[in-house]
Amino acid sequence: NAGVTQTPKFQVLKTGQSMTLQCAQDMNHEYMSWYRQDPGMGLRLIHYSVGAGITDQGEVPNGYNVSRSTTEDFPLRLLSAAPSQTSVYFCASLSNLNTEAFFGQGTRLTVV
Amino acid sequence: DAKTTQPTSMDCAEGRAANLPCNHSTISGNEYVYWYRQIHSQGPQYIIHGLKNNETNEMASLIITEDRKSSTLILPHATLRDTAVYYCIVSLGNNAGNMLTFGGGTRLMVKP
Repeated sequence: NAGVTQTPKFQVLKTGQSMTLQCAQDMNHEYMSWYRQDPGMGLRLIHYSVGAGITDQGEVPNGYNVSRSTTEDFPLRLLSAAPSQTSVYFCASLSNLNTEAFFGQGTRLTVV
Repeated sequence: DAKTTQPTSMDCAEGRAANLPCNHSTISGNEYVYWYRQIHSQGPQYIIHGLKNNETNEMASLIITEDRKSSTLILPHATLRDTAVYYCIVSLGNNAGNMLTFGGGTRLMVKP
């Protein structure tokens, strides 16, 4: 059982480039979410999904898009990367809102 | 979501119990208390959660005061591998928009 898998683990982008961070889970969880973590800070919610075809914004959604075409996958798209988006990104999934969340190992993104 | 207050850092001797406090004085009756930890820059790891009663699992115990305004996470026999940032979170289980809001956490240092 792989749990939550994030790819890539590391990425360097130039300002203005676009890219997609991948997140996949094999636990048939309905709920998935994306967080970013800046140095010395806690995690902040970017976007979340309560099921296939349903997404909504979290605390810091600007500059990011998401979609949820399948239960398993929840990609995060950076449309035009900016240095302020340099961060570590975590994806999480959970079966319902009163149980434990499972986190991926993170994607460390640097925008130069 | 109710906000939480945790000490910024704590030390604990290896083999002793680590008691990590959390204040959540504005918690509402149907909000759960969750504890997660983050080792180095890995993805957060679920530890335990509860609503009203004290809870225990193979990792830790959670003690919630009768008025639910504070809680304590207890690691009964701390090891060096328990050195991590510990996050106390309160979450309204039926509102996906309040999905796991992370604060600054407590940096626990377990010393030989």
